[in-house]
Parts: sequence; structure tokens; C-alpha cells
Amino acid sequence: EVQLVESGGGLVQPGGSLRLSCAASGFNFKGYWMGFVRQAPGKGLQWVANINQDGSKQYYVDSVKGRFTISRDTAKNSLDLQMNSLRAEDTAVYYCAKVGAGTGAYYFDFWGQGTLVTVSS
Amino acid sequence: SYELTQPPSVSVSPGQTARITCSGDALPKPYAYWYQQKPGQAPVLVIYKNTERPSGIPERFSGSSSGTTITLTISGVQAEDEADYYCQSAESSGSYVMFGGGTKLTVL
Repeated sequence: EVQLVESGGGLVQPGGSLRLSCAASGFNFKGYWMGFVRQAPGKGLQWVANINQDGSKQYYVDSVKGRFTISRDTAKNSLDLQMNSLRAEDTAVYYCAKVGAGTGAYYFDFWGQGTLVTVSS
Repeated sequence: SYELTQPPSVSVSPGQTARITCSGDALPKPYAYWYQQKPGQAPVLVIYKNTERPSGIPERFSGSSSGTTITLTISGVQAEDEADYYCQSAESSGSYVMFGGGTKLTVL
């Protein structure tokens, strides 16, 4: 059974930093792209970042480029999102998600339960 | 970047057919996907690669595409189908992923 468990969310002041972690189990972690998707309170889904199998490719939505860094540790089956220079508009539930299989197909077939990040003074 | 446009809401009575559309200039680019999200829960994939249904998703969920519009069809809607539904597409390189704004399905 695929399991994705996020941790690290919480309250942080504007300009601060936070590191989210996602523990993955139940599948061949190093065989799949992974990503983060967020959802602001009462709003829709927004893709944040993707990373390929060996971590050599990382992609970000424009609004977080230069502030967020996605990384993975295949030895620990973990995915991280380092978030710096946080803004109020980064307040959201952050989901860790496994990318589905298939050439040219990028979608999220399994999701974690999400962790809430609140940026406020 | 580009946008995916969904109607904010769709309402149907139990047993009827619900159709939720998603339009965007480059759909299906090359594939489109659909997610269901119930309040307080993580999204669940219900359609992938335009028409495929993941294991465990009821047969009443189906996907189709025509031109630059994709459609999620729920046949014989049940009360448990009441949820928010999001379409999604992505660049074929994985370098960009976009979601539609979401459609709230209400079962009357």
C-alpha cells in the first residue's frame, strides 16, 4: 500500500523558513517522479514543484522559484521542500504526491494527507 | 503558462448524469486528468490519460475529450459523488503542471 506522510508544517512569520518532509513507503520510491501541490484555505489546487527520479531535474511554479527547493533522499525514501522567504500568500495545505507512470504523463496518483503551513505575524 | 477553465458549480439529482467540462487552448497536452476532493480530504485521482480509470474508481466515472475541451462524466450520480472536481494537465517534460479552478458538484 502506497503511503505518503508529510510533516513539518506550522506557523511561521513572513520572511521565515520552513522545511516540509514526506516519508514514502509501499512503492519503489526511486523509480518515480514526486511533487508537491498546495491548496490555500478555501481555494483550488496549485502545483508547486516536481522532481525527477534521481533528483537531477527540479521544476517550480513561477511564484516560488528562487525561494523553494525540492529535494529527495532515495536512501531514506523521503521528499523534502525547503521553503525560504515565506509570504502570507504561501499559506496553504501542502500535499506530497507521487507522480504516475507513463512517458509524457505527469499526474499525481497518490497523495499524502497534507500539512498546513501558515505564514503570519 | 496557460489556464484551464472549469464551471464553478454543477448540480444534478441522484441517478442523473453529471458532466463537468474543462477547457484550455492546449488541451489535452498530451493528456488530461481528473481528481475528486471531498471536504477535509486529499484529492483522489479518478481519471488519467484522458480516459483511463484507476483501480477502485467506479465505472460510472469516465473521461472524454473533444478539441480543446475535456469532460468528466459521472453516470448515475450518487450522493457520495458530491465533491470538488479538478482537471489537470502538464507539459510533456514534466516542467509545468496546471490545475483547473475546480467545480463543485452538488447532488440535489
